Amino acid sequence: DTGVSQDPRHKITKRGQNVTFRCDPISEHNRLYWYRQTLGQGPEFLTYFQNEAQLEKSRLLSDRFSAERPKGSFSTLEIQRTEQGDSAMYLCASSLVGGLAYNEQFFGPGTRLTVL
Amino acid sequence: QKEVEQDPGPLSVPEGAIVSLNCTYSNSAFQYFMWYRQYSRKGPELLMYTYSSGNKEDGRFTAQVDKSSKYISLFIRDSQPSDSATYLCAMSARNYGQNFVFGPGTRLSVLP
Repeated sequence: DTGVSQDPRHKITKRGQNVTFRCDPISEHNRLYWYRQTLGQGPEFLTYFQNEAQLEKSRLLSDRFSAERPKGSFSTLEIQRTEQGDSAMYLCASSLVGGLAYNEQFFGPGTRLTVL
Repeated sequence: QKEVEQDPGPLSVPEGAIVSLNCTYSNSAFQYFMWYRQYSRKGPELLMYTYSSGNKEDGRFTAQVDKSSKYISLFIRDSQPSDSATYLCAMSARNYGQNFVFGPGTRLSVLP
C-alpha cells in the first residue's frame, strides 16, 4: 500500500502521560500536514511541513504539542502531559506541491487518542 | 458564527435517490472548494474539487459553487448504500491548502 500510513491506529493513555504518533506520507510528497478531528466535527488544521521545515502552526497547537519531520520524510507528533481534552482523532495528510494546478491532500487513516 | 456551516444530519435516503448536500461560508476569500467523503474510522478522501464558481461533474457526483451566495453543494445521483458516509466540505483561499477550513460534515445513510 503506497498511501499515507499512521501508527499507532489507537492509543489509550492516562492523563499526564506523553504520547507520540508517527506519520509516513506518500514517498514523493513534499508537504505533510497534521489535523485534529473531534467527534462530529471536521478536521482542524494543526501544522504543516514543507520538506523538513515546519512552516505554519495553528493556535490550536499549544506548547504541549510538538511536531517534527527530521529528514523530510516521516513525521512525528508528540503531546506532552496529555489532558482529557486532547482525546481526538489525529490525522496526517500529504501532498505534492508544484507543477499541478491543484495539490490534493491525501489523508491517512488517523490515530485515535483516548486520554483517561 | 463558524467560518463554514454544514447541516450535520443524519440524512437518510432510499437507494436510488438524489442526495443534496450543502455548505455555507462567510469568508469571501475562499476560492478553492472541496468535498471529502469519510467512512467511519477512516481518513477523509477527496471526491470533488472546484475552483471559483461553477459546476463540475464526475460520474454520479456534481459539485456546484455559488460564490455570490457563499454556498456550495454536492449532488449524488442514483445513491447507493456504499455512499453511506460522512461528507465534509472544505475550503481554502489558496491553492496549496495549508489553510483548509472544513465543515463539520453531514452524515448520510443510503438505505437499501
